[in-house]
Amino acid sequence: EAGVTQFPSHSVIEKGQTVTLRCDPISGHDNLYWYRRVMGKEIKFLLHFVKESKQDESGMPNNRFLAERTGGTYSTLKVQPAELEDSGVYFCASSLDRALGLFFGSGTQLSVL
Amino acid sequence: AQSVTQPDIHITVSEGASLELRCNYSYGATPYLFWYVQSPGQGLQLLLKYFSGDTLVQGIKGFEAEFKRSQSSFNLRKPSVHWSDAAEYFCAVGVRGGTSYGKLTFGQGTILTVHP
Repeated sequence: EAGVTQFPSHSVIEKGQTVTLRCDPISGHDNLYWYRRVMGKEIKFLLHFVKESKQDESGMPNNRFLAERTGGTYSTLKVQPAELEDSGVYFCASSLDRALGLFFGSGTQLSVL
Repeated sequence: AQSVTQPDIHITVSEGASLELRCNYSYGATPYLFWYVQSPGQGLQLLLKYFSGDTLVQGIKGFEAEFKRSQSSFNLRKPSVHWSDAAEYFCAVGVRGGTSYGKLTFGQGTILTVHP
């Protein structure tokens, strides 16, 4: 069974550009989470989808970030326009239920120059 | 709001030595507690978790952790470290109740270096 897949693994863009990150959760996992780790800081929660609905988006930094999960399968996280402080590793995780916990992808390293 | 502290940013041990990684949390009730490990180029892998019951939790790869309510701690231990254990380790807290059980608060991570 495939794990959580994130694409791209690395992205280097210039300030002001747009970047879209993609996450494919484990098949059948209704819960999908986005997290971010800015260099030297903790991994922080961004938002939580249950199927296609946003359950909790309290961690989204500002309105330059837009997450979608159309059809309740894969999810995208768009940053528009990107700023220098958006650089970091963006993790996606999916979950079937509480007992099994979260399964994380290997992350997307975003560098904004 | 909950918080997690991992006091040690970087730990170096010799292969075969014992290991203890510290984790302290702040939370108003008994939390869900987790340890994750991230090897280079890999995603976060769950080592073990505590929800309730026995406060000594066994995980994968020979790791264990003990929940101590009086000390608000959830330290990770391994009796004999292998070179493949070199990685970054994260302690995390999850809230009880509600549907956002996956909304975790992480510590800053501890980088483990293993010397041969």
